[in-house]
Amino acid sequence: AQKVTQTQTSISVMEKTTVTMDCVYETQDSSYFLFWYKQTASGEIVFLIRQDSYKKENATVGHYSLNFQKPKSSIGLIITATQIEDSAVYFCAMFETSGSWQLIFGSGTQLTVMP
Amino acid sequence: EAAVTQSPRSKVAVTGGKVTLSCHQTNNHDYMYWYRQDTGHGLRLIHYSYVADSTEKGDIPDGYKASRPSQENFSLILELASLSQTAVYFCASRPGQGADTLYFGEGSRLIVV
Repeated sequence: AQKVTQTQTSISVMEKTTVTMDCVYETQDSSYFLFWYKQTASGEIVFLIRQDSYKKENATVGHYSLNFQKPKSSIGLIITATQIEDSAVYFCAMFETSGSWQLIFGSGTQLTVMP
Repeated sequence: EAAVTQSPRSKVAVTGGKVTLSCHQTNNHDYMYWYRQDTGHGLRLIHYSYVADSTEKGDIPDGYKASRPSQENFSLILELASLSQTAVYFCASRPGQGADTLYFGEGSRLIVV
């Protein structure tokens, strides 16, 4: 069965610095899909960025980028030049590619960006 | 942009009562999902559907039923609400097979007393 693990429950950083959030996953699939979502204080869940396992280049969207280390089954989220509004809970997720095609979520990391 | 709307956004229910959470999407997506989020935890799948008039069980279906009367609408039904079902419920939709991202609704906060 697929599994996603986020061990960092909370992180605090100063504004304008870079932060990395960790995520490790388990899967038997040879091809798989990894996602990061942001949940704001209002509860809204927003898609941020994805990495397809067959792609060698790390995905980048705006000030979000991924550190994909396939041999370590790791997909870290990097946020550069953090802003106060980046404060949120960040979830790592993986598609279950049989049956439901559901997203399997990690437990989330609370990021607090301080001025 | 994908639009998924949930109602009610917040509800207080009595133990043993019936609760229906509704979800509506306007993007002709095939797949719809109901997830549950407990405080400090990720989301867990309750039920899903990939076609109207058909629903499937997710990872934690006990105590919940689902109904998909049309492509646009997907409901989650708690026939006998219990204290342990206090949580935030999220509906989501996805275009079809393949690894398209899910689009989430705003969430429905349910408190069972």
